[in-house]
Amino acid sequence: GESVGLHLPTLSVQEGDNSIINCAYSNSASDYFIWYKQESGKGPQFIIDIRSNMDKRQGQRVTVLLNKTVKHLSLQIAATQPGDSAVYFCADESNAGNMLTFGGGTRLMVKP
Amino acid sequence: ETGVTQSPTHLIKTRGQQVTLRCSSQSGHNTVSWYQQALGQGPQFIFQYYREEENGRGNFPPRFSGLQFPNYSSELNVNALELDDSALYLCASSLDIMGGRSYNEQFFGPGTRLTVL
Repeated sequence: GESVGLHLPTLSVQEGDNSIINCAYSNSASDYFIWYKQESGKGPQFIIDIRSNMDKRQGQRVTVLLNKTVKHLSLQIAATQPGDSAVYFCADESNAGNMLTFGGGTRLMVKP
Repeated sequence: ETGVTQSPTHLIKTRGQQVTLRCSSQSGHNTVSWYQQALGQGPQFIFQYYREEENGRGNFPPRFSGLQFPNYSSELNVNALELDDSALYLCASSLDIMGGRSYNEQFFGPGTRLTVL
């Protein structure tokens, strides 16, 4: 399959543990933030999003935290499973222009 | 699966050649965005098409051009290929009802891997 992110930062966690993936963004005008998951051979898959008027949003097993003061975004995955192994990207968008700016990505490896 | 399809899956070209990549958007979507993803990096925005017109462009030279058809499918054309054009090309479709003034979830296709020799 397609190989994505051969030289990305890697986070290795034990199955069942919680994972935290961090991301810094640079555009202070960004007001919409999204986390994507990309598995080998596939395009990015939407996980969760958050608008700038919020600092926390929860989904199923995932939570996104936004700190606009330091322009930092994090993705928390509870009870990490082997199927969570992938490359994770944060992306931001400003002025509702639909132009997503992606971060560099983090590879999550889940050990059974 | 997102319902966004791309063709071909893989493509090998030589420097100076031209290439056309195709994308079929998810049913009901009227907007297509194209991204270039180099190995080990995040996708970079090339441009977006909304209702058959370009609706935003990233930092890519004019030899990157596109089209959107009445059925909202899209093509990405790259002329005078360079070695650095080797990448995974992703398209994403979305439903935009406010002409680029709203946030809409983008659904990505699996990509076309272009290798330029």
